[in-house]
Amino acid sequence: DAKTTQPPSMDCAEGRAANLPCNHSTISGNEYVYWYRQIHSQGPQYIIHGLKNNETNEMASLIITEDRKSSTLILPHATLRDTAVYYCIVEDGGSNYKLTFGKGTLLTVNP
Amino acid sequence: GAVVSQHPSRVICKSGTSVKIECRSLDFQATTMFWYRQFPKQSLMLMATSNEGSKATYEQGVEKDKFLINHASLTLSTLTVTSAHPEDSSFYICSARSRGGNEQFFGPGTRLTVL
Repeated sequence: DAKTTQPPSMDCAEGRAANLPCNHSTISGNEYVYWYRQIHSQGPQYIIHGLKNNETNEMASLIITEDRKSSTLILPHATLRDTAVYYCIVEDGGSNYKLTFGKGTLLTVNP
Repeated sequence: GAVVSQHPSRVICKSGTSVKIECRSLDFQATTMFWYRQFPKQSLMLMATSNEGSKATYEQGVEKDKFLINHASLTLSTLTVTSAHPEDSSFYICSARSRGGNEQFFGPGTRLTVL
């Protein structure tokens, strides 16, 4: 599976949009981009995933560049409860859908 | 949404004893379940993948005789840590994927402390 690169930490003001970047320059054509988050001492929570097109759900939006080498997760109105470690993962399903977690980005939402 | 539960949420045991952790998918059938562990201030590390009715596939460096995994039904997988030692103390997390689904849904985790 392709490797991802994320900033180790980011801060965001409550109520503002949080934009979390992820680089996956070695992504192959059949690999999806997944985002999960983990709040302290809890299991990870699925957020969103996409292949080529931008995606939006009730939690977030996922913007994937045209060359698919990077993506951005957008939390439109961050709240204090969005403080968590956010993981960007690429996965192709061919490896039995195994997810390889990197170090992720610690997003801290400040009041 | 899909819900995965784990039991127990916390367990403290003496060195040398065995501990069983259960992972259940509550509202969907999990054809594949995954077991991870997470040490403090580190990321999740995949231990093994199990498909219902099949033997688990273990990641490199994970001892299959120490971490016994059973996936006997489409809603239940168990991880047994045999002869636990203090270095096995960790946060153990399971996840489940349904047939045809892309997402993995994670349980809340089990914190194991071996004295």
